[in-house]
Parts: sequence; structure tokens; C-alpha cells
Amino acid sequence: EPEVTQTPSHQVTQMGQEVILRCVPISNHLYFYWYRQILGQKVEFLVSFYNNEISEKSEIFDDQFSVERPDGSNFTLKIRSTKLEDSAMYFCASSPTGFGNEQFFGPGTRLTVL
Amino acid sequence: TQLLEQSPQFLSIQEGENLTVYCNSSSVFSSLQWYRQEPGEGPVLLVTVVTGGEVKKLKRLTFQFGDARKDSSLHITAAQPGDTGLYLCAGTSGTYKYIFGTGTRLKVLA
Repeated sequence: EPEVTQTPSHQVTQMGQEVILRCVPISNHLYFYWYRQILGQKVEFLVSFYNNEISEKSEIFDDQFSVERPDGSNFTLKIRSTKLEDSAMYFCASSPTGFGNEQFFGPGTRLTVL
Repeated sequence: TQLLEQSPQFLSIQEGENLTVYCNSSSVFSSLQWYRQEPGEGPVLLVTVVTGGEVKKLKRLTFQFGDARKDSSLHITAAQPGDTGLYLCAGTSGTYKYIFGTGTRLKVLA
């Protein structure tokens, strides 16, 4: 059964460093998303991506964040200069069509900023 | 700002009991989804409801979307230890932005 994969599973970085979180969505899906979940808190929407551009983004997704689909399979989230408060679980999701349809979530990347 | 409040936040019940989890908002959603999340994993979709008043059943789970599409409920009949997990509702208002609820952590004791 096809699934969304994410690498790495755990990333530890120093404050101020750049990190890139990688996701491989399900191959025939067209819509891609990033969410984050700070420990003990709710899942928060960061950004949605379709047709090689951002469809929607939240207030959290400021200039420190960027997303890219560099090739036909990967979908990346870059945080330019990490802060302590960026420590969270980051989930990638994909769906075959847009809103209202099932999103398939990856297992997440745990980002720890020291 | 759209918010989805879930209640109760925590629920611990005995195997065989019934329970209902609520998801409420002051905003209207064009569709609402329920997910279950296990520790260390991503959420897994259980159901999507799109029509006001809609009721969907998934084995022992019954989902209802409020008539005004502002609230939803999840009812579990005869809960089992395997139902233990974090239940999340998530809504969208016809955009590509999904708002997740605050979550209900369910523990079913054998």
C-alpha cells in the first residue's frame, strides 16, 4: 500500500542553523501539506502546495519557512534559521485532490532545536 | 480565526462502555474529518463528513455532522482497548487550509 515517507525521523540542530525536512508524497497525489505538532499541543497547519506553488499558508509560515518540490517525487520544508520554539513534530501529508479529500500523513520528523 | 474545540480533553473508560466525543466551532466548515493518532505516528483518517446532518458509521464508530456544519460528534459503542488513542477532528472551509481540533485522548481499560 502506498504511503507518505519522511526523512529524517529525528533531526537535532543548533539554534540559528538551517534545516531541510524531506517528504516523499504518494506518487499520484497532487496536493501536499506540512503541519507541525508541538509536544502536547494540537496539530497546526503550516502550508498547502499545489501545481508547484503555495495554495495557502498559516500565520506560522513566515519568511523563515519555505517549501519546494525540487523534482517529481520530493517535497521539502526548509527552516532558514531555527529557533528554540521550532522544536516540534513536523508532518507531511498528501492528497489526490483538494479540500475535503483524505489526507495521507507521513510518520513525521521530530525536530529538536538546542 | 477559526477554532475547533474538542471535549472532553481526556477520557478513561472501561472496556464495553459507550462514549461520545464532541468537536465544536463557531465557524461553518464545508467538510470535517476525524482522525486517530497513535503516539509517534501521523494522524490516520477515519471519516469525512460534508453535508449538514450527515451520519456515517464505521463499525462501532458513528460520526455526525451538525445541521449547521459547525460541530460534529464521534460516538463509540462498546469501546475496546484497541480504540485507545488520540482522536482529532479537522475542518476546512473550502480552502486548502485544514484546522485541527484540540484533540481527545481516549484510554480504554481492559
